[in-house]
Amino acid sequence: DGGITQSPKYLFRKEGQNVTLSCEQNLNHDAMYWYRQDPGQGLRLIYYSQIVNDFQKGDIAEGYSVSREKKESFPLTVTSAQKNPTAFYLCASGVGGLGTGELFFGEGSRLTVL
Amino acid sequence: AQSVTQLGSHVSVSEGALVLLRCNYSSSVPPYLFWYVQYPNQGLQLLLKYTSAATLVKGINGFEAEFKKSETSFHLTKPSAHMSDAAEYFCAVRMNTGFQKLVFGTGTRLLVSP
Repeated sequence: DGGITQSPKYLFRKEGQNVTLSCEQNLNHDAMYWYRQDPGQGLRLIYYSQIVNDFQKGDIAEGYSVSREKKESFPLTVTSAQKNPTAFYLCASGVGGLGTGELFFGEGSRLTVL
Repeated sequence: AQSVTQLGSHVSVSEGALVLLRCNYSSSVPPYLFWYVQYPNQGLQLLLKYTSAATLVKGINGFEAEFKKSETSFHLTKPSAHMSDAAEYFCAVRMNTGFQKLVFGTGTRLLVSP
């Protein structure tokens, strides 16, 4: 089945550790996105990528990093510089270009900092 | 800049009652608008989208939304609520920038009582 796979679904981290969240898609989409979700705040954009080897900061990029070495993959690293990393992280992909903007989402990864 | 406002962080209805979730948008150009649904600890699933065709848009699970330019609204409705409709609902607008991004509202949690 075509879709977006995020892993791990649950992750616990000690303060000061970097963690990497995986996102893989087999929809042949050019565009990929990372959102952060906190209760009552909706979804906030962390990073997005239009094509391989290119990505841009979203609204809350501080303390995060990404790479886009392959079309199918867009991993997110939560660094120790992120002051409040406990959240639900959602990866999405879309056609990009002249499409409608519709996004397809993975199941999410819940990160808890102990 | 494009934005959406969802009125009411929580809406409670009885099973069989009308569901009405409100969304108002702000956009200087004809918008593309979306409604997504999220079940606990899952990703977002597209319910329906408005892409400047018919103003009354029908989606999955019996939901529909009407685009009203004069009121800058895109409210989501369902004639008869079912217990399985209990979830969080997000309205989103596509930003008209050089690259497609969605801006999400803060979400409305729908509670359905027997």
